[in-house]
Amino acid sequence: EAGVVQSPRYKIIEKKQPVAFWCNPISGHNTLYWYLQNLGQGPELLIRYENEEAVDDSQLPKDRFSAERLKGVDSTLKIQPAELGDSAVYLCASSPSTSGGGNNEQFFGPGTRLTVL
Amino acid sequence: QKEVEQNSGPLSVPEGAIASLNCTYSDRGSQSFFWYRQYSGKSPELIMSIYSNGDKEDGRFTAQLNKASQYVSLLIRDSQPSDSATYLCAVKGDYKLSFGAGTTVTVRA
Repeated sequence: EAGVVQSPRYKIIEKKQPVAFWCNPISGHNTLYWYLQNLGQGPELLIRYENEEAVDDSQLPKDRFSAERLKGVDSTLKIQPAELGDSAVYLCASSPSTSGGGNNEQFFGPGTRLTVL
Repeated sequence: QKEVEQNSGPLSVPEGAIASLNCTYSDRGSQSFFWYRQYSGKSPELIMSIYSNGDKEDGRFTAQLNKASQYVSLLIRDSQPSDSATYLCAVKGDYKLSFGAGTTVTVRA
């Protein structure tokens, strides 16, 4: 069974440029998460989707970040315009549906390492 | 206070020894607890899940949970050089998974 797929693996851009990251979750996983991980820190949740609905985007900086999961499968996270402080690893994770709570384990993709110059 | 706190590390242990990692959390209503292993430059990999008080063993790994003390730990027995990594404690409330900053373990051959 394929794991979570992300692309690109690495991205280098100049500040003020736009950038987009793509994620395809594990087949059958309805819940998709985008995390940001800074060096020496644990991942921090940006947004959580249940199918195509963004059910928790409270930590997403909406002035420059946006995300979509139009068909409830793959997802795109966009930053426009990027700032120097956005340099980090962007991780996508998925789990079976968390409707009603539950203990569903999250599985991470390889991440996209973003460098903003 | 951070939601999830871990030993600051780094932790250096000789090959064959036991590595002990500790984690405390602030949300008393948390129900699910996880340990992830993260090799340098790689993404987190789930290695243990624990949901009830007590010990849970899986191979050389043992997770221990004490909800009254809001404490969860991970023991790595017979540590191997391949165990050298950062170990992330993650605690799940209703839906959100909160991570600690991680403890870096180095196993000396």
